[in-house]
Amino acid sequence: QQQVKQSPQSLIVQKGGISIINCAYENTAFDYFPWYQQFPGKGPALLIAIRPDVSEKKEGRFTISFNKSAKQFSLHIMDSQPGDSATYFCAASWTGAGSYQLTFGKGTKLSVIP
Amino acid sequence: DSGVTQTPKHLITATGQRVTLRCSPRSGDLSVYWYQQSLDQGLQFLIQYYNGEERAKGNILERFSAQQFPDLHSELNLSSLELGDSALYFCASSSPGGLDFGPGTRLTVT
Repeated sequence: QQQVKQSPQSLIVQKGGISIINCAYENTAFDYFPWYQQFPGKGPALLIAIRPDVSEKKEGRFTISFNKSAKQFSLHIMDSQPGDSATYFCAASWTGAGSYQLTFGKGTKLSVIP
Repeated sequence: DSGVTQTPKHLITATGQRVTLRCSPRSGDLSVYWYQQSLDQGLQFLIQYYNGEERAKGNILERFSAQQFPDLHSELNLSSLELGDSALYFCASSSPGGLDFGPGTRLTVT
């Protein structure tokens, strides 16, 4: 059972454009929703995360939008740059026990073309 | 740099063998998480240790085991290896924002 569904699988965006990646979750106990960026041969790097008590969080060019009633959240990358080309993963976890047992989406491969 | 170190970087072994992957969490962090990344299953949580004790268990096979030592480094032991165990294995530490992953160990089973 896939608890976190991510789309699209791949995305091509022009430099300067907006990249949008979507995720949907099933488990209403989840209370922590991070996004990770991964370059080939590297470990996932935490980009930005949100808790369900806010609907939006912005850090630089990266914004998470969160819709609790729809059980969906998305990552927006503004002014996308070629250096943003990487694979992006959404994830979700219940952190009530002080643990980050992240359930990951399948990933989105983003290519930003000049 | 996450401050999490993993060794070795690459490991090639044969089916049926046993290997040990090593992780040192960020200095002062009592938690160690292990995750597996494969083409079939994606990124999956395996197990978490906190200050030497097992805290949480995920999709870890019975052939796999882990432990955390008094100096807080952790080892993930994989035995009776199968071709399907070929994957990237990541260790992670807690940070104020969430989990920071190490560079990973790429395991290839031939």
